[in-house]
Amino acid sequence: DAEITQSPRHKITETGRQVTLACHQTWNHNNMFWYRQDLGHGLRLIHYSYGVQDTNKGEVSDGYSVSRSNTEDLPLTLESAASSQTSVYFCASSGLAGGLAINEQFFGPGTRLTVL
Amino acid sequence: AQSVTQLGSHVSVSEGALVLLRCNYSSSVPPYLFWYVQYPNQGLQLLLKYTTGATLVKGINGFEAEFKKSETSFHLTKPSAHMSDAAEYFCAVSLSGGSYIPTFGRGTSLIVHP
Repeated sequence: DAEITQSPRHKITETGRQVTLACHQTWNHNNMFWYRQDLGHGLRLIHYSYGVQDTNKGEVSDGYSVSRSNTEDLPLTLESAASSQTSVYFCASSGLAGGLAINEQFFGPGTRLTVL
Repeated sequence: AQSVTQLGSHVSVSEGALVLLRCNYSSSVPPYLFWYVQYPNQGLQLLLKYTTGATLVKGINGFEAEFKKSETSFHLTKPSAHMSDAAEYFCAVSLSGGSYIPTFGRGTSLIVHP
């Protein structure tokens, strides 16, 4: 079965360190997304990609970057981790359904990141 | 542009009681509408969706939602709550034929009492 996986599931790091969170999907979806989820804020979009070599900023992109070198993977990098980036991070993907862009998203299990 | 409002950050029901989670949206074009559920320590998973056609949509686990264009609503219901329904529920809207990015509501936490 197709799936979307994230690794690691839990990560503790120190302020100032670079951290990369992995996201891998086997749906063959063109669209991939990174969200962070914080109490009181719901889901907030960090970055997204519509295909290989395409990346776009979301509403909370400062301090984060992504790259898309293939269809399956969209790693999220925190250039210099800050305590404000302590959060749960979700990767999602979406594609065509019956030829239509229905925009239904498939989510990974999440990565809980703690920045000390 | 589109937006979603979920009324009530927490909804509490007794086991066996009706579940009603409210969602209102705004959209400049015909919307696609979704309900997602998130169980503790898991990602979101799709409960149901409305794209076109029949306005009453049935989803997994006995949930259903009705698209009411005149009321710009897409409320989620279940006739009889089960303890296992306790979770966070998110309503989302996206534009048909437009951006691939849905807009999510803030979420409603469903609490089920024995």
